[in-house]
Amino acid sequence: TQLLEQSPQFLSIQEGENLTVYCNSSSVFSSLQWYRQEPGEGPVLLVTVVTGGEVKKLKRLTFQFGDARKDSSLHITAAQPGDTGLYLCAGVRNNDMRFGAGTRLTVKP
Amino acid sequence: GAGVSQSPSNKVTEKGKDVELRCDPISGHTALYWYRQRLGQGLEFLIYFQGNSAPDKSGLPSDRFSAERTGESVSTLTIQRTQQEDSAVYLCASSLIAENEQFFGPGTRLTVL
Repeated sequence: TQLLEQSPQFLSIQEGENLTVYCNSSSVFSSLQWYRQEPGEGPVLLVTVVTGGEVKKLKRLTFQFGDARKDSSLHITAAQPGDTGLYLCAGVRNNDMRFGAGTRLTVKP
Repeated sequence: GAGVSQSPSNKVTEKGKDVELRCDPISGHTALYWYRQRLGQGLEFLIYFQGNSAPDKSGLPSDRFSAERTGESVSTLTIQRTQQEDSAVYLCASSLIAENEQFFGPGTRLTVL
């Protein structure tokens, strides 16, 4: 079983729609990172959240770290085709980091 | 550039042959990770180096897989007696310390015929 469970695995939406993807675990993390991977490239860091309940915004992307630091969500407002990619969460604990399996998002024009 | 580099970018090999994949991390990064990514899938953790030692080899799928790191720099991932199910993109990442942002290389696409 994965340390971090991401849902949904796949998501296909129309341009302009809103969406939320989730990253859940039974473990407590000291911090959690979100990455995006575009086809043919390696993942790139979007944001790091550290404090329980923390909310960070990057333009149309809103990231939230759960109060207990076991889960996180990523909300995208008015999705655009350029948001298409694999969204990965990574939890840090005990000086180590592990990735979830990712949510593959497709935004259709 | 000063990013993570991997070589070769593509490797086609015949079933049963050995392959060696190379990763050059960002200078000064002490942590180095290897991942496998099958087509359309997420990242599968293989092994993690802290300096030259590998505190976590739990992700290596079989004894055909091995990795080493020398001089707290270059790492090589070796797959012996390759099988068709080994076909995937192998990604390397490095970070300043284990908890920090991981910087990924472009990957090596391995195809086993």
